[in-house]
Amino acid sequence: EVQLVESGGNVVNPGGSLRLSCAASGFNLDDISMNWVRQAPGEGLEWLASISSSSNFIYYSDSIKGRFTISRDTADNSLVLQMTNLRADDSAVYYCAGGLQVHAFDIWGQGTVVTVSS
Amino acid sequence: ILMTQSPATLSVSPGERATLSCRASEDIRSDLAWYQQKPGQAPRLIMYDASTRATGVPDRFSGSGSGTDFTLTISSLQPEDFALYYCQQYSKWLLYSFGQGTKLEIK
Repeated sequence: EVQLVESGGNVVNPGGSLRLSCAASGFNLDDISMNWVRQAPGEGLEWLASISSSSNFIYYSDSIKGRFTISRDTADNSLVLQMTNLRADDSAVYYCAGGLQVHAFDIWGQGTVVTVSS
Repeated sequence: ILMTQSPATLSVSPGERATLSCRASEDIRSDLAWYQQKPGQAPRLIMYDASTRATGVPDRFSGSGSGTDFTLTISSLQPEDFALYYCQQYSKWLLYSFGQGTKLEIK
């Protein structure tokens, strides 16, 4: 079965760090560009970061630039989001998503919850 | 690219037609997707390339538009269609953006 499964969400203090993972099964994650999207409580979807299949091209939204890093773990067939200097407004459900058969995001993980609070 | 959806909330009775709008701040050709999200669930792709239904999406869903103005129409609302809907542009490769969403609620 083709699926994405996120992990790593937790409660963290402001200024802290967290590493999210998105494990793929049923396909090779390196074959497609991948993305992180988040959704704060009661809010809409916010695109955060994208990485090309080759990892040669990486882009971030202004809200996380300089604090978050997207990367691939090829050995684990997974996507990573390293988050540092976390703030209260980073609290959200974090989704990984990709375009497996189309240019839009046709595959999503179930999400992992990050709460930034002291 | 800024994506603007309207209305924020749409109240429609089951069996009636719903029309959701999405506007891009610049020309995005037909590089537009629509997603449906239900409470506690991840978004689900329902339309891409502005007017192509994703796999398994019933034909009561239709999409139209190109350039800057787009529409998602649900011809005869079923109970399972009441949800949040988001548009997304993918015209700029790897620099994506979503609209703020439209909540489709039962009237």
